[in-house]
Amino acid sequence: DADVTQTPRNRITKTGKRIMLECSQTKGHDRMYWYRQDPGLGLRLIYYSFDVKDINKGEISDGYSVSRQAQAKFSLSLESAIPNQTALYFCATSDPERGGPETQYFGPGTRLLVL
Amino acid sequence: QKEVEQNSGPLSVPEGAIASLNCTYSDRGSQSFFWYRQYSGKSPELIMFIYSNGDKEDGRFTAQLNKASQYVSLLIRDSQPSDSATYLCAVLNSSASKIIFGSGTRLSIRP
Repeated sequence: DADVTQTPRNRITKTGKRIMLECSQTKGHDRMYWYRQDPGLGLRLIYYSFDVKDINKGEISDGYSVSRQAQAKFSLSLESAIPNQTALYFCATSDPERGGPETQYFGPGTRLLVL
Repeated sequence: QKEVEQNSGPLSVPEGAIASLNCTYSDRGSQSFFWYRQYSGKSPELIMFIYSNGDKEDGRFTAQLNKASQYVSLLIRDSQPSDSATYLCAVLNSSASKIIFGSGTRLSIRP
């Protein structure tokens, strides 16, 4: 079974709808991240969390919110989806205390289309 | 100036040749440097990391770091068609709070 899972894998929604992307991990890592990837722009950090009580904004947090329900779960919400939020979304985990340098482990991604 | 810069490519290299991928970063205090490979439609996966000046070799891959020039590179020897992918450079910033990714270089190995 995959260590980092994301649901749904694909989602089509309409402008103005609220949607939630979910991420779960079995790696036991404290740190979790949400990125979006757009062609030519690489991976951009939306939010990150170093433990259940710690939530931090990344470089492009506007229009997004997150919830860290447990060590293993980190959800990303789009409160009112807009077309320029169409992208590929990745969840990632890391734990620098265990594996040395801060290797990030990525989920399979969620492809989101906002019409 | 972007925090981590890469040439987007595509970089086309003949099979069996050496592919050279380059990355520059702006935060002089950056601590660790990573190369991820991403196949089309898939998630990034770590190839190598380096945090000391000089070269680090792992099989066909060699990472090179020059902190004075704020430059990190990845060499792929004996390039194979299976190496065709986008390669992402990533840098752990000086406060060790987050990793910044470059936009990636698309590599194509031609038979």
